[in-house]
Amino acid sequence: DSGVTQTPKHLITATGQRVTLRCSPRSGDLSVYWYQQSLDQGLQFLIQYYNGEERAKGNILERFSAQQFPDLHSELNLSSLELGDSALYFCASTLKPGRKNYGYTFGSGTRLTVV
Amino acid sequence: QQPVQSPQAVILREGEDAVINCSSSKALYSVHWYRQKHGEAPVFLMILLKGGEQKGHEKISASFNEKKQQSSLYLTASQLSYSGTYFCGTEFLNAGGTSYGKLTFGQGTILTVHP
Repeated sequence: DSGVTQTPKHLITATGQRVTLRCSPRSGDLSVYWYQQSLDQGLQFLIQYYNGEERAKGNILERFSAQQFPDLHSELNLSSLELGDSALYFCASTLKPGRKNYGYTFGSGTRLTVV
Repeated sequence: QQPVQSPQAVILREGEDAVINCSSSKALYSVHWYRQKHGEAPVFLMILLKGGEQKGHEKISASFNEKKQQSSLYLTASQLSYSGTYFCGTEFLNAGGTSYGKLTFGQGTILTVHP
């Protein structure tokens, strides 16, 4: 157990639907990152939150949104789902980004299958 | 701005050595290395900061060449457990000279170790 909890582990849904992925960061970590990994692909950055505020945005689709709550857990909302959204979605956390950086701790991921 | 990893794949026998390279076209602040086994989350191996700070992990070490904006991961006396996909993650400073810790990952290098 890495300390980063992602739920659900698996999700199968139909095109056009909306889903919410949840991430609880490791205790003490303030920064949360969301990445998308398609089949046999690398890790594509979606969005980052630090202590409740959005800090960086990648090539995240307008159909996708995220937020980080006061208790530091984060949710990634995916709407109007398309077949191409099928992927493994990882959440990662780290203590505090900046000059004394720390490695990411990744959650086990949510495997989303859109049918 | 995605870093380029080489080679794309490596096949080794137990006990052999390997080097994986990660190159960036943009000035780096730090480089992270992660290993991901099939169907699992990436696991942090080490971070290299601008200025030469370096950490090692078992028989795995890395270097950071600031002039070439390149990092290399060295795996010596490989073990079966080293098999997996290795990703480098690169961090850049923003215009204000700070970083929010966001990593851009390379496409990955698949390492296979045979008995």
